[in-house]
Amino acid sequence: GIQVEQSPPDLILQEGANSTLRCNFSDSVNNLQWFHQNPWGQLINLFYIPSGTKQNGRLSATTVATERYSLLYISSSQTTDSGVYFCAVPIISSGSARQLTFGSGTQLTVLP
Amino acid sequence: GAGVSQTPSNKVTEKGKYVELRCDPISGHTALYWYRQSLGQGPEFLIYFQGTGAADDSGLPNDRFFAVRPEGSVSTLKIQRTERGDSAVYLCASSLGSGVSDTQYFGPGTRLTVL
Repeated sequence: GIQVEQSPPDLILQEGANSTLRCNFSDSVNNLQWFHQNPWGQLINLFYIPSGTKQNGRLSATTVATERYSLLYISSSQTTDSGVYFCAVPIISSGSARQLTFGSGTQLTVLP
Repeated sequence: GAGVSQTPSNKVTEKGKYVELRCDPISGHTALYWYRQSLGQGPEFLIYFQGTGAADDSGLPNDRFFAVRPEGSVSTLKIQRTERGDSAVYLCASSLGSGVSDTQYFGPGTRLTVL
């Protein structure tokens, strides 16, 4: 099956710093989602980004599908950005199933 | 509802017992997914429903796990003869359809602890 790798596994930042998280995937994909899992465990959708660049406030994401990677940028980080960031891609199995394969995540800690 | 809801939020049980976990998807969403997340890992797929039928159950680890969605809305994940290795957070997600561009929205999860 498709492999999804994220780096770095852990990241500690001072509040106000910028960061880049990377997601590599082993096969062509038609979809890619970025999630933030907050300290209470809730997975929050950040971006649906199969290709190109999107921005939402201090966050932006870029997917280069031909080179099989995606980047998540966090600017002017805040303590509330802390948590685990996952990227996930769908695999197509029987019929039209779109279950997601997740990377192992990047644990981000933003210090005040 | 406004989002995907799951009950209970926490479940503690003893080895060998039977448990049921419930998922209430976003109203109108036809696709429903169950995932399991172990500590320090990303969620792993268990089963997918399109409407009432299980379109893909290839992620279920063994025959102790079973899920239903009888009316095409609420789903129940059932685990028989629980084992300590079943301890994890069980996540449910729903999407409007099952197309490649359909975004999945996740519930808060049920944390299952098997003693």
